[in-house]
Amino acid sequence: QLQLQESGPGLVKPSEALSLTCTVSGASISSSSYYWGWIRQPPGKGLEWIGSIYYSGSTYYNPSLKSRVTISVDTSKNQFSLKLSSVTAADTAVYYCARRITIFYDYWGQGTVVTVSS
Amino acid sequence: AIQLTQSPSSLSASVGDRVTITCRASQGISSALAWYQQKPGKAPKLLIYDASSLKSGVPSRFSGSGSGTDFALIISSLQPEDFATYYCQQFKTYPLTFGGGTKVEIK
Repeated sequence: QLQLQESGPGLVKPSEALSLTCTVSGASISSSSYYWGWIRQPPGKGLEWIGSIYYSGSTYYNPSLKSRVTISVDTSKNQFSLKLSSVTAADTAVYYCARRITIFYDYWGQGTVVTVSS
Repeated sequence: AIQLTQSPSSLSASVGDRVTITCRASQGISSALAWYQQKPGKAPKLLIYDASSLKSGVPSRFSGSGSGTDFALIISSLQPEDFATYYCQQFKTYPLTFGGGTKVEIK
């Protein structure tokens, strides 16, 4: 059974960088069939796509965040990661990692709450 | 970026009601649309992909229709476990975008 698990600090100071890791179990992150993505949801609001990565390292980012976002993959650990720099209170959200097959996200992590506050 | 406009943003319905949620894209996306259900404190769950294909294991009371710019999610007979928020997402072009969500509440 495929599982995705987000991990990382739950509290980040303004202007610092947010770093999260998604550990994938039950499937190989190196499969050519999948993309791996990050999606976030501010408190009480809707879903926002952050970006995706392919096992080869090809990345696709939301232009609204592109200047601050880096998504990377570590195939040896079956993990992929998100780094968001220069965070503000507007980056407070639940962050989800998910697996994408062409035109849908079929498996999601449970989500991790990240609060930006001093 | 392609904008997805869902309507209504919320609705109240009774068990057994037929519910229709619409999603309109700002430009044509063929059938590259998925629908998700999200309950409070939980991750979204895939219901429909490719606009009208039901994910395995999802009850048949859920169905999707549409192509191009206009899409719908239909719940034929609302059940107690269906009270949740529903989102559409387009996969035609980057950036991938979501609709604003439709909250289905108990009348």
